[in-house]
Formats: sequence, C-alpha cells, structure tokens
Amino acid sequence: ETGVTQSPTHLIKTRGQQVTLRCSSQSGHNTVSWYQQALGQGPQFIFQYYREEENGRGNFPPRFSGLQFPNYSSELNVNALELDDSALYLCASSLGGSGAETQYFGPGTRLLVL
Amino acid sequence: KQEVTQIPAALSVPEGENLVLNCSFTDSAIYNLQWFRQDPGKGLTSLLLIQSSQREQTSGRLNASLDKSSGRSTLYIAASQPGDSATYLCAAPNTGNQFYFGTGTSLTVIP
Repeated sequence: ETGVTQSPTHLIKTRGQQVTLRCSSQSGHNTVSWYQQALGQGPQFIFQYYREEENGRGNFPPRFSGLQFPNYSSELNVNALELDDSALYLCASSLGGSGAETQYFGPGTRLLVL
Repeated sequence: KQEVTQIPAALSVPEGENLVLNCSFTDSAIYNLQWFRQDPGKGLTSLLLIQSSQREQTSGRLNASLDKSSGRSTLYIAASQPGDSATYLCAAPNTGNQFYFGTGTSLTVIP
C-alpha cells in the first residue's frame, strides 16, 4: 500500500506566474483535500474533491482551482501568483468525503513566490 | 465559522515528564476531533481520532479526550521522549467537509 505522494517537493515562481501541484492519493482512497500552510500557522483548507467533484471549499479566491482524475489523483492550480501564496501546500486523502474519516497527509510542496 | 485555538503555543519539558496539550473549538457541530504531529518542513501524521460520540481515545503513550459541550480536547503524552519533539496540531471537521486546524503547539523534549 503506497502512501500519499506530492510533486514537486519544492518550487520557485515569480509573481504573476501560474503553478500546478500534484497529489497521488493513498491506494483505495477516493477523496483528496488541499491545504495551504503559511510559516508558523496551521493548515488552511482550500478545497476537497470527492469522486472527481468539488465537495467543499474554503475561503480562497477563484484563482485557486483544482481537478481530480478518475484514478483519484489530484491537481491544485494557482493562477496569477502573489507573494502571499508562498507556503507549504499539503494534500490529504481519505476514504469518503463526509469529514468523518481520518485524513492521510502527503509530505507537501513548498512554494516560494518571488 | 469554526475557530480552533491551541494553548500553549510552545512547550519545553525535560525527558520523562508527562504533559498535556490543549485544544479548544467554538462550534460543537463536529464529526470528530483529530490530533496530528508535524515534524519541521514535513507533512502531518495522524495520531488519534476521537469520534464526536466518544470521550477519549488512546494509542500507546498518547491519550486524547473530547468534551464537546465545553468545546475542548486535550492530548496527554506520558513519559515524554526526545523523539516526541514536534508540532502538535488539532483539527475539527464540521458538517461542511471543512477541516479547521489550530495553529499548533511546538513541543521540545530536552534529554
């Protein structure tokens, strides 16, 4: 059984650019959630995908968008990058999208926007 | 909107000491309360999940309690070890599938 993986591990972009982050869910899991964690803060919920549909969204602007594929892997896309988007981006997979299940986190992608 | 608070923000204890980390939340309509551990620059590792109908959950040296009526949870760590040094986060998922995290408690166990 493989755990949650994320790519890339680190990324440097400049303001205004676009970025795509990827997440492979744990085997058998059909739900992926994305979080943004600024330095010294707890993770902030961006959105969740359950069986390829968005299943909840936090307080993030539309330039944060996502996809979930038939194999339940997922992408997070961020357009028009801003300096404040610099953070650790975490994805978590679970079985079921009710919020009642344990979430298993990947190691994260650290994004630096210059 | 759910607000999750963790106290203290940082804690330093000598090896072998028992300790308690605190988590409070404002909205009691939660599915469960989860505790995670995060090592520097890494992802989160799930430690314990307490269902909303439960009062406590134990795993090894860890014991977590939940009091929904008062909006509080505690994580008790017995006989602390240097390997326990990490940031501990609590999270409360609500019925909207949103996971609300606290800002964490940074624990240092001194050998």
